[in-house]
Amino acid sequence: GAGVSQSPSNKVTEKGKDVELRCDPISGHTALYWYRQSLGQGLEFLIYFQGNSAPDKSGLPSDRFSAERTGGSVSTLTIQRTQQEDSAVYLCASSPSGGSGANVLTFGAGSRLTVL
Amino acid sequence: AQSVTQLDSQVPVFEEAPVELRCNYSSSVSVYLFWYVQYPNQGLQLLLKYLSGSTLVKGINGFEAEFNKSQTSFHLRKPSVHISDTAEYFCAVSGNTGFQKLVFGTGTRLLVSP
Repeated sequence: GAGVSQSPSNKVTEKGKDVELRCDPISGHTALYWYRQSLGQGLEFLIYFQGNSAPDKSGLPSDRFSAERTGGSVSTLTIQRTQQEDSAVYLCASSPSGGSGANVLTFGAGSRLTVL
Repeated sequence: AQSVTQLDSQVPVFEEAPVELRCNYSSSVSVYLFWYVQYPNQGLQLLLKYLSGSTLVKGINGFEAEFNKSQTSFHLRKPSVHISDTAEYFCAVSGNTGFQKLVFGTGTRLLVSP
């Protein structure tokens, strides 16, 4: 596609429920990132996929968070047993491989999660 | 591992005044450096980047930044700001070998008033 697409744009859920957030990166981009943006907290790195390599999960805040990327394209971030502190905007970004484009991220509009 | 420090959480400035947003980084390897901007109710977009070569980098909307390796800094500057520059500005760093994750600072909110 023309840009990074994220869905849903807004999600309100009750504490304890599971949620899934979807990211569709730019076609051909091999790197995909998930970040979390909380009020006053900046961008917190969550997880990073690069091609067929094992993902860098070092930023996931707890074992309630997981992510997968199917077929090197679409990614799903899953949060189990949501807590109020999970409320944030979840941003997905992708970047191309190699050359001067390496590490230049294109961001999606984000999925705003509100846990009641 | 890399880290980024943006000391100023908020910078108020009057329209047409110059501005500098500070960014310092830490890394044990050579780096790529970036500034991203997030306008109100919009997504992040790339403002400028340093990959190699000239240490003075020019970006969109009249912004520029200078890479200073000895001071491990990448401060963002604009000689004359506009109301429309009001936004959140994020500095980011990654190692420059292979594919390394991009680490962001906590952001600086630039508030331009008339």
